[in-house]
Amino acid sequence: QVQLVQSGAEVKKPGASVKVSCKASGYNFRAYNIHWVRQVPGQGLEWMGWINPDSGGTNYAQKFQARVTMTRDTSINTVYMELSRLRSDDTAVYYCARDPSISAFDYWGQGTLVTVSS
Amino acid sequence: QSALTQPASVSGSPGQSITISCTGGSSDIGDYNYVSWYQQHPGKAPKLMIYEVSHRPSGISNRFSGSKSGNTASLTISGLQAEDEADYYCNSYTSTSTRVFGGGTKLTVL
Repeated sequence: QVQLVQSGAEVKKPGASVKVSCKASGYNFRAYNIHWVRQVPGQGLEWMGWINPDSGGTNYAQKFQARVTMTRDTSINTVYMELSRLRSDDTAVYYCARDPSISAFDYWGQGTLVTVSS
Repeated sequence: QSALTQPASVSGSPGQSITISCTGGSSDIGDYNYVSWYQQHPGKAPKLMIYEVSHRPSGISNRFSGSKSGNTASLTISGLQAEDEADYYCNSYTSTSTRVFGGGTKLTVL
C-alpha cells in the first residue's frame, strides 16, 4: 500500500534551518511529484512547492522561494524539504503529499511538527 | 498568488445538504479543471474527497459531489452525517504550475 512516512518533530531556534524527510513506499517513487504543505496551528493549509523525484525539478511558492529547498534521494525513495532562516511564525505542521497527475494530492504523510522558539 | 476564497463556516442539520464555495480567478479555477477538495479532522492529515472538479476517489461516499462555474468551484455534501463535521479546503492548479489552497471552511453538523 502507498505510504508516506515523515521524520519526527523538531525544535529549532530562530535563524536556524530544518530539514524534514518524507519516505515513500508502495509505488513507483519516480513517477509522482511530491508536494509540501504546511499548517500553522489553528490556521489553514498553505502550499509550499513540489519536487519531481525523477528529474529533481522543483517549483516553489513565491513566499518561500528564498528560503526553501526540496531535494530527493532516489536510492532510498525519500524527498526532503529544508527551510532556512526560521522565524517563530514558521512554527507549523509540515506535510508531504503525493500528486498522481497535476490534479490533486491523493496520499499524505502523517505530518511533522516544527517548533521555532528561542 | 492569493488564497482562494471560502466561507469561514457553514452548518447544517443531519440529513440536510450543504454547499461550500471556493472562488478564485482566471489564472486558477477559471482556467483549469484541476480543483480538488480535502476534508480534515482535528489532528489528522487532510483527506482527498474530490479531484478534477467533480471526480470522487475510490471509497469516497457519493454524498460528496463537486462542480464548477466560471471562477467558482463548489463542494456539496448531501445527507449530512455527524462524521462530516470537519474542516474543508479547496485547492487549484494555477497558470504558473503552482497550487493554491482556499482558506478553509469549518462545517458544523447541528
